[in-house]
Amino acid sequence: AQSVAQPEDQVNVAEGNPLTVKCTYSVSGNPYLFWYVQYPNRGLQFLLKYITGDNLVKGSYGFEAEFNKSQTSFHLKKPSALVSDSALYFCAVRDNDYKLSFGAGTTVTVRA
Amino acid sequence: NAGVTQTPKFQVLKTGQSMTLQCAQDMNHEYMSWYRQDPGMGLRLIHYSVGAGITDQGEVPNGYNVSRSTTEDFPLRLLSAAPSQTSVYFCASSYSSVFSGNTIYFGEGSWLTVV
Repeated sequence: AQSVAQPEDQVNVAEGNPLTVKCTYSVSGNPYLFWYVQYPNRGLQFLLKYITGDNLVKGSYGFEAEFNKSQTSFHLKKPSALVSDSALYFCAVRDNDYKLSFGAGTTVTVRA
Repeated sequence: NAGVTQTPKFQVLKTGQSMTLQCAQDMNHEYMSWYRQDPGMGLRLIHYSVGAGITDQGEVPNGYNVSRSTTEDFPLRLLSAAPSQTSVYFCASSYSSVFSGNTIYFGEGSWLTVV
């Protein structure tokens, strides 16, 4: 069975500081890893994904994520956070089946 | 460019009532699914479909039915609503292929309260 863990319920950073949201995964087959962002009362928006190739993946809104196979991690990063980045972030994994498994989510708050 | 459209956006039901959440996509995606989102639990898969006429259960299927008569539509039926089904429901779709890294696109959500 596949699963995703987001060890931090909340992440608080000051605007302009680096932002990291952690994610670890467990999957039996090839991992297809995703990050989604959810703003209040909205659906999930796709940020980026790792399928194969370079371990550093660049996505929307200046976000990037690093795939680390040995640590089974896929941490989301942004070099300089904005107040508008405040949202709920979900890591997800999809294996060779069609199902997408989500972590519990991490609430990011960026203070001005 | 509608993407994934869900209706209604908000609904209040009484215990025991039935209702259908509608989901439609205009991207010709084979794969469609329904998730529910509850605080601290992320999104959990209710039912999914890999094509017209084919449906299967996800992680939390009890109390819900689905059908897939067309590629575009994937309605979710609550047979007899219970307070435990108070949640936010998301419909999602993607291309199905051997390359399973296809991005899944989500609707805007349906907020359901069962009293």
